[in-house]
Amino acid sequence: NAGVTQTPKFRILKIGQSMTLQCTQDMNHNYMYWYRQDPGMGLKLIYYSVGAGITDKGEVPNGYNVSRSTTEDFPLRLELAAPSQTSVYFCASRGLSGGSYEQYFGPGTRLTVT
Amino acid sequence: GQQLNQSPQSMFIQEGEDVSMNCTSSSIFNTWLWYKQDPGEGPVLLIALYKAGELTSNGRLTAQFGITRKDSFLNISASIPSDVGIYFCAGYAGNMLTFGGGTRLMVKP
Repeated sequence: NAGVTQTPKFRILKIGQSMTLQCTQDMNHNYMYWYRQDPGMGLKLIYYSVGAGITDKGEVPNGYNVSRSTTEDFPLRLELAAPSQTSVYFCASRGLSGGSYEQYFGPGTRLTVT
Repeated sequence: GQQLNQSPQSMFIQEGEDVSMNCTSSSIFNTWLWYKQDPGEGPVLLIALYKAGELTSNGRLTAQFGITRKDSFLNISASIPSDVGIYFCAGYAGNMLTFGGGTRLMVKP
């Protein structure tokens, strides 16, 4: 049981390039989330999904896209990378059983856009 | 959007001391979570609180869900060097979790 896994761990992009950050969970959780964390700050929600085929915007969705074709995977797409997207990105998941609201996080992807 | 004010922003304490930190908001939350983040890693869940007034412990950690549902508190007793890290509070409203800015804890051996 690996929990939440994210790839890659590190990435450097040039301005205008695109990339997909991968997130997979093996806990059969319905809910999945993408956050970004800027230096010295808390986490801000980018997008979330309550199940396969359903996604919704969080607090800071501009410049990002998501899809949720399976329960396990929730990739985050950056289409035209900008320096403002330099950040650490965390994926999280949450189950439904027992009324739990506990979110479990992956190890993060550190992205630099230059 | 909703904001959580977490204080203090940082603390430098002696090993063995007790630690208190808190989180306040102008909005009501129906669940509070407390996380710890070590450098270069993702947040790890410490304690979850589901009812106003609830007091929950996890080893040396104790957290409380404020009666007004607009605040929460975390206490660490008898701090040790491995308590070093950043502690985040987070509150749920609907499906979205809002994070505080974090409290950086540093421990002098």
